Amino acid sequence: GEDVEQSLFLSVREGDSSVINCTYTDSSSTYLYWYKQEPGAGLQLLTYIFSNMDMKQDQRLTVLLNKKDKHLSLRIADTQTGDSAIYFCAEKDTGNQFYFGTGTSLTVIP
Amino acid sequence: SAVISQKPSRDICQRGTSLTIQCQVDSQVTMMFWYRQQPGQSLTLIATANQGSEATYESGFVIDKFPISRPNLTFSTLTVSNMSPEDSSIYLCSVGAGYEQYFGPGTRLTVT
Repeated sequence: GEDVEQSLFLSVREGDSSVINCTYTDSSSTYLYWYKQEPGAGLQLLTYIFSNMDMKQDQRLTVLLNKKDKHLSLRIADTQTGDSAIYFCAEKDTGNQFYFGTGTSLTVIP
Repeated sequence: SAVISQKPSRDICQRGTSLTIQCQVDSQVTMMFWYRQQPGQSLTLIATANQGSEATYESGFVIDKFPISRPNLTFSTLTVSNMSPEDSSIYLCSVGAGYEQYFGPGTRLTVT
């Protein structure tokens, strides 16, 4: 399958911005997604971006896509303790197959 | 959006037994997906279940171990057969709705 990679851990102070990065290898990706998983819970869809876009903003969340470098990022502004979770990026290929990253564990320090 | 529920939410099972996990969606969907998330790991697709046809399994997963039923457009079951401790995982049901993909809350399985 395709490779989707993320750094494993990120710590930020409450009120700061968080930036979670993701790289992927599939040049035929159609959509790219960010999911949030809180302890003991399922995956919550946060946002997604079409592969021909380079930015999408939704309240505190900003997604940046650099298709040339196959790099996706999620910026969370004014990070709160409730944002502490594991964040997964995922890409969907032309066959509607999903490939998930390894997940980034975000810890927000009060 | 789609709202997905799963039963049971968690279970502890003995080695050699089987567990059937149910997935219910609040709307009719063509394709339903079953994923496994092993402890501390990302998600791995087990199989895709279309209503009225046999499920399609990914490499490394076989029907004898993970039989799937899809009796209608809102419901599916995944059975984990002849369980071993290596099957301890979270099992998640997923559906697509347009461009979006939604996941159930997961079933946390522990095999002793």
